[in-house]
Amino acid sequence: AQSVTQLGSHVSVSEGALVLLRCNYSSSVPPYLFWYVQYPNQGLQLLLKYTSAATLVKGINGFEAEFKKSETSFHLTKPSAHMSDAAEYFCASSGAGSYQLTFGKGTKLSVIP
Amino acid sequence: DAGVIQSPRHEVTEMGQEVTLRCKPISGHNSLFWYRQTMMRGLELLIYFNNNVPIDDSGMPEDRFSAKMPNASFSTLKIQPSEPRDSAVYFCASSQGDEQYFGPGTRLTVT
Repeated sequence: AQSVTQLGSHVSVSEGALVLLRCNYSSSVPPYLFWYVQYPNQGLQLLLKYTSAATLVKGINGFEAEFKKSETSFHLTKPSAHMSDAAEYFCASSGAGSYQLTFGKGTKLSVIP
Repeated sequence: DAGVIQSPRHEVTEMGQEVTLRCKPISGHNSLFWYRQTMMRGLELLIYFNNNVPIDDSGMPEDRFSAKMPNASFSTLKIQPSEPRDSAVYFCASSQGDEQYFGPGTRLTVT
């Protein structure tokens, strides 16, 4: 069975600082990996996805993530945090061609002015 | 495209009452998912439909929960009777491929 672990339920960064949100997956075969963002009182919005093509994936709003098989990681980064980035971020995985998404517990990002 | 539409956005009901949540998926999407989100358990998949047919309902908590998809543009999730522990945000999502698109959710409070 697949599992996704997000390290840190709450991360605070200063405006303009690097954002790093950590995600590790466990899977017997390389999975598909996703990052979703949830703003308050809204649904989840897809930021980016990895589906076994390029290991460095660029998403919306300046975010990117790198798939590292050796570390079973798919950390999300953004060079410079903006106040509008404050939200909860979810990492998720699925088997190739599978409908089932396994979500991490989420990381709430706060941006300090 | 309007995205996935859910109604109502908020529902407050008393224990024992029937609750019906509604979802309109994105046109052309052939898969539909119902999720429940709580602080304690995070996001849980309740049921998955493909081409209007329920494929996996193993996440449905108990017989009080039922879901239907009578056509490609409409699905319902019903709770009867409702209990306080059903209080959560319920999301509908649809997909055509590996990306799931989520609706804004229905916040259910059962008192």
